[in-house]
Amino acid sequence: NAGVTQTPKFRVLKTGQSMTLLCAQDMNHEYMYWYRQDPGMGLRLIHYSVGEGTTAKGEVPDGYNVSRLKKQNFLLGLESAAPSQTSVYFCASIANTEAFFGQGTRLTVV
Amino acid sequence: DQQVKQNSPSLSVQEGRISILNCDYTNSMFDYFLWYKKYPAEGPTFLISISSIKDKNEDGRFTVFLNKSAKHLSLHIVPSQPGDSAVYFCAVPSNTGKLIFGQGTTLQVKP
Repeated sequence: NAGVTQTPKFRVLKTGQSMTLLCAQDMNHEYMYWYRQDPGMGLRLIHYSVGEGTTAKGEVPDGYNVSRLKKQNFLLGLESAAPSQTSVYFCASIANTEAFFGQGTRLTVV
Repeated sequence: DQQVKQNSPSLSVQEGRISILNCDYTNSMFDYFLWYKKYPAEGPTFLISISSIKDKNEDGRFTVFLNKSAKHLSLHIVPSQPGDSAVYFCAVPSNTGKLIFGQGTTLQVKP
């Protein structure tokens, strides 16, 4: 049982490049989330999904897009990376009251 | 508009003493509240939760207290251990499906 798996774990992008972060969960959870963690800012919600085929904006959605084509996968896309998107990104899925997190993706945009 | 606030960025306590971490929220309609713990280079892990119909929930050394009139919850760790040194987040699920986190409090437990 892998839980929540994020790929990649590390990435360096040049300004303007695009990339997709993948989150996969094997727990059959309906709800999935993408967060970014920055010093002093806590975990800020980027986008979330309450089920396959649905997505919704969180607190800081600008510059990101998401897709939930399959229940087990939640993809986070950066179409044109900016230095302000340098952060650690966490994916989570939730069952009842408890959220399970991936190990994080450290993204640096230069 | 921050719906969940942790106003203390850091806390330092001596091993064996009590650690008290605080969290304030704005929406009186939240049904339950969660605490998460995060070590460096790892994802957050669930620690303890409390339903809005209770005012206290205890799990070993960890106790969460809820004061609905003040819209305040606190996490008590007693006795504190060096392994408890981590970042602690309070979190609230909204009725729209969002899971909202506070800014976090970094706890350091000194041996």
